[in-house]
Amino acid sequence: EAGVTQFPSHSVIEKGQTVTLRCDPISGHDNLYWYRRVMGKEIKFLLHFVKESKQDESGMPNNRFLAERTGGTYSTLKVQPAELEDSGVYFCASSMGTNLQDTQYFGPGTRLTVL
Amino acid sequence: AQRVTQPEKLLSVFKGAPVELKCNYSYSGSPELFWYVQYSRQRLQLLLRHISRESIKGFTADLNKGETSFHLKKPFAQEEDSAMYYCALSTSNTGKLIFGQGTTLQVKP
Repeated sequence: EAGVTQFPSHSVIEKGQTVTLRCDPISGHDNLYWYRRVMGKEIKFLLHFVKESKQDESGMPNNRFLAERTGGTYSTLKVQPAELEDSGVYFCASSMGTNLQDTQYFGPGTRLTVL
Repeated sequence: AQRVTQPEKLLSVFKGAPVELKCNYSYSGSPELFWYVQYSRQRLQLLLRHISRESIKGFTADLNKGETSFHLKKPFAQEEDSAMYYCALSTSNTGKLIFGQGTTLQVKP
């Protein structure tokens, strides 16, 4: 079974540019999460989709970040315009449900560098 | 606010030595705690969860509500245990995880 996939694996952009990250969850997983690890800091929750609906977006840093999950399958996270402090590793995870027995499976992450 | 603290950035031990990775949390309710691990060039994966009370790869973790801790232990470390370990907290049925900063475990031969 294919795991969670993320594209691209690395992205280097200049400040002010736009970047779109993509996440394909495990097939059949209704729950999709985005997390971010900024250099030297902990992995932080960004938002949670249940199918195509945003269940919790309390971790989104500001309105430069826009996440979508049209059709309830893959998700995109767009940063526009990117700032230096957006650099970090962006992880996506998916799970079948949200019960505590439901495991979140993580993707390999996208390393974003903003110059 | 909910918070997870892993006081050690790096823990270095010799093969065969006991290992304890510390994790403390702050949350006034009933938390659910997890340990995630990331081996070199692999993705983050669940190691164990409090609710299951299981032992995985020889690792165990006990939730101590009095000390608000969930330390990860293994009696005899192996070289293949070298990895980054994250303690995480979930406070609701939304699945949202709150992570600590992670501890790098280095097991020397």
